[in-house]
This record gives sequence, C-alpha cells and structure tokens, in this order.
Amino acid sequence: DAGVIQSPRHEVTEMGQEVTLRCKPISGHNSLFWYRQTMMRGLELLIYFNNNVPIDDSGMPEDRFSAKMPNASFSTLKIQPSEPRDSAVYFCASSLYLTSGSSYEQYFGPGTRLTVT
Amino acid sequence: GNSVTQMEGPVTLSEEAFLTINCTYTATGYPSLFWYVQYPGEGLQLLLKATKADDKGSNKGFEATYRKETTSFHLEKGSVQVSDSAVYFCALKVSGGYNKLIFGAGTRLAVHP
Repeated sequence: DAGVIQSPRHEVTEMGQEVTLRCKPISGHNSLFWYRQTMMRGLELLIYFNNNVPIDDSGMPEDRFSAKMPNASFSTLKIQPSEPRDSAVYFCASSLYLTSGSSYEQYFGPGTRLTVT
Repeated sequence: GNSVTQMEGPVTLSEEAFLTINCTYTATGYPSLFWYVQYPGEGLQLLLKATKADDKGSNKGFEATYRKETTSFHLEKGSVQVSDSAVYFCALKVSGGYNKLIFGAGTRLAVHP
C-alpha cells in the first residue's frame, strides 16, 4: 500500500502567489483531513471531508484558504494569496469511516513544508 | 466540549530509563483513545489505541491503559532507546464524527545515550 501521498514535499513561494497542495488518500478510505502544523500553534485541523463532501471547515483560518475534493482519490488545499504567516507544514490524513461505529485510525501523509517569503 | 491535555515537554531521558507521558481527556460519551508518534521530518503515525475502558493498547514496547475513572491514557515504556526520540500526541475520537480526532499539544521526548 502506497500510503497517503502528498505533493509537493517542499514549496517555497513569494508572498501574494497562489499555492496549491495536493493529496491522494489511501484507496478505499472515505474520510480525508487537512491539518496545519507550526511551532507556535501546534497541530490544527483545517477541514475534513467524508465521501468527498466537506463536513467541517471551521478550522480554515480565512477566506484565502480553500479546499476541494473532486473525487475519492484526490484533494487540494489552495492558498490565494499566500502570506508569510502561512508558512507551516501541511498534512493530509485519510481514514475509513463506517457508520457501524467501528473505530479506524487516521493515516497521515509525509506533509508539505510551505515557506512563504 | 471534548479536549485532550498532555504533559508539557520536552521530556529528556537517558537510554534505558522508564518513560511516562501523562494524558487526560474530557469527552462526552465513550471515546476511543490513541497515541500517535511523529519522528523528525515525518508525518504522524499511529503508535497504539484503545477503544473501551480498561483496554490496554501496546506496540513497540509502549503501552497505555484506558482509565475511565480517571479519564486518563498515560503512555509508558519500560526502557527507552535513542530511536524513541520523537514527539508523542495523545488523541481522542468521539462516537460518530467521521473519525475526526481531537489532539493534545504533543510532548517532545529526547533520549540521550
């Protein structure tokens, strides 16, 4: 199993530019989560999807951030325009959610390290 | 609301020392509890889990017991190694919720030879 795949692994961009982060969840998983990790704020949940539908985006910091999941095997997190305070490691995680109540863990990707100068 | 509180780090130990990282939680209903580990430059990976009271999760010499009466899920290891140096996150999942996890702040462990 390839695990959760994220690209790019590193991104350096200038303030004001658009940034798109990509995630391919584990095949068969139906829940997908986007997190941001910084030294100051720790690990923050930004948004999560179930069956490609956004369930809760209350963690998205502001309108500059948007996320989509056009199909079960692909999701994007976009920042437009980017700012230096967006510099962080962004993680994608996927999980299998069943309404039966069985508890399945989240599997994390390796992360994308974003630097906005 | 639901929350997880972990002991603050960093925790610094010598190799072969005993490790305890405290974790307590507040949750409605009967959550599942998890410990995740993050090695430098990597994503989080599941270390162990427990889904009901009195369950003990264990993996790689680490263990934690789900204590409902004290709302705790402390992580322990009898003899740490340098390779255990990482950040450890305690997390809970409430029933339903699409497997959304509530994470603690993380505890950094540094093990010296």
